[in-house]
Amino acid sequence: GAVVSQHPSRVICKSGTSVKIECRSLDFQATTMFWYRQFPKQSLMLMATSNEGSKATYEQGVEKDKFLINHASLTLSTLTVTSAHPEDSSFYICTPYAGGANEQFFGPGTRLTVL
Amino acid sequence: ELKVEQNPLFLSMQEGKNYTIYCNYSTTSDRLYWYRQDPGKSLESLFVLLSNGAVKQEGRLMASLDTKARLSTLHITAAVHDLSATYFCAVANSGYALNFGKGTSLLVTP
Repeated sequence: GAVVSQHPSRVICKSGTSVKIECRSLDFQATTMFWYRQFPKQSLMLMATSNEGSKATYEQGVEKDKFLINHASLTLSTLTVTSAHPEDSSFYICTPYAGGANEQFFGPGTRLTVL
Repeated sequence: ELKVEQNPLFLSMQEGKNYTIYCNYSTTSDRLYWYRQDPGKSLESLFVLLSNGAVKQEGRLMASLDTKARLSTLHITAAVHDLSATYFCAVANSGYALNFGKGTSLLVTP
């Protein structure tokens, strides 16, 4: 399967700080990046979709000013959680996607804990 | 809105037994996925089903798709402890983003 990396894998921060999560597709070019989050004991929910060089589109209920997504290249996308609060504690997972591909592979995830 | 329903949500089964997990979805889609998630880990791709009648098998797991009924099944044959995990089905929307079921937490006991 495709090789996807995320960094950091785990982060603990204080309330009010910002955290940047990087997602890289290592062996293919991703025209689209999906960002999901998973709260404990729950399923995955799509947060936003970004296309390389374009602004991200956000799902209902996801604040675009709080979750800043940059997809500046076909192999790198970043998600910045600004002014994080405890309710933002979650498992954030990216899926780089090459348009039209059948398979979708998930990054290893970033576990964010906001104290 | 594309909705995906999985059942059961929890499944405890003995080693050696067979069982089926069901996944229903509400609107037409041409891609259905099954994933496995171990505790604290991300998702591992199991199957992608693309057409009506598609059947795929890997080891003790077999997945099928009936697009007319909007139903997919994940059948477990002769379960072993290593299969204990949470299994998700997911359906692609028109933009290829995935809508997930709530997941089935499977525990295989001796």
